[in-house]
Amino acid sequence: QLQLQQSGPGLVKPSETLSLTCTVSGDSISSGSYYWGWIRQPPGKGLEWIGTIYYSGTTYYDPSLESRVTISVDTSKNQFSLNLSSVIAADTAVYYCARQMCSSNTCPFDFWGQGTLVTVSS
Amino acid sequence: QSALTQPASVSGSPGQSITISCTGTTSDIGGYDYVSWYQHHPGKAPKLIIYNVSNRPSGVSNRFSGSKSANTASLTVSGLQAEDEGDYYCLSFTRSYTLIFGGGTKLTVL
Repeated sequence: QLQLQQSGPGLVKPSETLSLTCTVSGDSISSGSYYWGWIRQPPGKGLEWIGTIYYSGTTYYDPSLESRVTISVDTSKNQFSLNLSSVIAADTAVYYCARQMCSSNTCPFDFWGQGTLVTVSS
Repeated sequence: QSALTQPASVSGSPGQSITISCTGTTSDIGGYDYVSWYQHHPGKAPKLIIYNVSNRPSGVSNRFSGSKSANTASLTVSGLQAEDEGDYYCLSFTRSYTLIFGGGTKLTVL
């Protein structure tokens, strides 16, 4: 049974870097069968796609976040991670990791992590 | 990139049908059949209910159906039930090889 377990701090100071990790169990990232992504939802707002990564390291990012976002993969740990630098209050959101159901960025997200509320505040 | 356009809210009585629209451009919805829909209940992870415009994942009720015409995709929920109440989002692939969500629609079952 596929599980996506998110970990990382729930509070980040302004101007610092937000870091979250998604550990995959029940499947292997290095199988190459899927893409893996990050999505967020600010309080009271809608879902926002952040970016996507393939096991090879290929990434795609939302243009509005691209200058601050890095998504990386560690196939040895079966994990992928999100780093968002220079955070501001507007980056406060529930962050989700998710699996795309095929090996292309055209594919929908069929399995999601539990979500992590990250608050940006001093 | 700007979010796809969805109505902020729709409502219907139990047993009725409702349709939620999702409007984009020729660079996203109009150019590709890679539109998916998600149901989101507060405090839970979003759930995929439609993919590739009109396909239902295994286990999703056949009361949910999807379609597309030009730059607008639509989600229809028939035989409304109380459990259908929640937020619904569309997602499309774009010409820039990115993804973009709709602004979300709150469905209220009266």
